[in-house]
Amino acid sequence: DIQMTQSPASLSASVGDGVTITCRASQSVSTYLSWYQQKPGEAPKLLIYGVSSLQIGVPSKFTGSGSGTDFTLTISSLQPEDFATYYCQQSYRVPYTFGQGTRVEI
Amino acid sequence: EVQLVESGGVVVQPGGSLRLSCAASGFNFNDYIIHWVRQVPGKGLEWVSLINWDSSTTFYADSVKGRFTISRDNGKTSVYLQMNSLKTEDSALYYCVKEGSYSAFDFGGQGTMVTVSS
Repeated sequence: DIQMTQSPASLSASVGDGVTITCRASQSVSTYLSWYQQKPGEAPKLLIYGVSSLQIGVPSKFTGSGSGTDFTLTISSLQPEDFATYYCQQSYRVPYTFGQGTRVEI
Repeated sequence: EVQLVESGGVVVQPGGSLRLSCAASGFNFNDYIIHWVRQVPGKGLEWVSLINWDSSTTFYADSVKGRFTISRDNGKTSVYLQMNSLKTEDSALYYCVKEGSYSAFDFGGQGTMVTVSS
């Protein structure tokens, strides 16, 4: 199985800050890397697919980058609604695996 | 509007069985792979199973292989997860999700809660 490791596990930031979350795969996942946002009590929501493609309706403040095994999600100018848990996921090979999540808190 | 609505989650005893349902609408259901993903409240996401458009291909996580069976009825635009020999560690919120570009999960339901407890 492909292991996905996110860092940090949690981070504290202020409104207006920019933050970066990293995700490392145990082997190459090509471009089959997605990012999800999950708020308490809600289902996960797709933000980015194919490493850097923005899902329809997602603001451009979310940026994905990377290749092969190392990926990043950058969120610019944090707003109150951005405080949530973020997950990366590989869909290159079954079983599709998720990172453990990064909690972004105020 | 794409919608996936899960149902069937209940409290069941260890060793018991349960069938979850996922009713889909708002997209051409026959064209898409559907997955089940689960999440223990307060914990991370775990992929469970997938089924392709014509049911010819299914995959399972090792943790459920041999106990869970995924199926679909394209006429009813629904997917099912038959869960047998349930264990306490199967307790989770189960989400039904649609696969999109680059096999990302572009739409999902709100989940149905399964609790395995005596």
